Amino acid sequence: EPEVTQTPSHQVTQMGQEVILRCVPISNHLYFYWYRQILGQKVEFLVSFYNNEISEKSEIFDDQFSVERPDGSNFTLKIRSTKLEDSAMYFCASSGTLGDTQYFGPGTRLTVL
Amino acid sequence: QKEVEQNSGPLSVPEGAIASLNCTYSDRGSQSFFWYRQYSGKSPELIMFIYSNGDKEDGRFTAQLNKASQYVSLLIRDSQPSDSATYLCAVKWRDAGGTSYGKLTFGQGTILTVHP
Repeated sequence: EPEVTQTPSHQVTQMGQEVILRCVPISNHLYFYWYRQILGQKVEFLVSFYNNEISEKSEIFDDQFSVERPDGSNFTLKIRSTKLEDSAMYFCASSGTLGDTQYFGPGTRLTVL
Repeated sequence: QKEVEQNSGPLSVPEGAIASLNCTYSDRGSQSFFWYRQYSGKSPELIMFIYSNGDKEDGRFTAQLNKASQYVSLLIRDSQPSDSATYLCAVKWRDAGGTSYGKLTFGQGTILTVHP
């Protein structure tokens, strides 16, 4: 069964450093999403992406964040200058259409020291 | 501000019992509703979705939607210890023109424990 994959599973970084989280969505899906979950808190929407551009973003998704589909399979989330409060699980998801179910990847645990 | 609320629990039921998980949401606009299960340290895993008022059954799971009361629930019949997890309710809203932007708004989740 097709699945969303994410790398790395765990990323440790120093405050102020740039990180890139990578995702490979399900191959025939067209819509891609990033969510995050701070430990013990709700899953929060960050951004949705379709046709090589952002469809919607939350207030969390400020200028420190960017997304890119660098090739036909990868979808990345870049955090330019990490803060302590960026420590969270970051989940990538994909869906065939906007109305379809979103399938989540296993997540990347980001720890900012 | 569109909100999704769940009782965080924990909800404890004996093996074989029916577990009932509830979710309310704040805005009457057109929506789709999703139930996800999340084991500790893992990602959300889809259980089922519901779009229309009434009940929808899938194996041991039944989702119930009442749009007038802004309420959606998940029933788990014959609960098993392996069902012990956090259950997340998620809502996808559409705008007045019926366009969905894909964003899922999650509740805080209900922790379910099924004890043998």
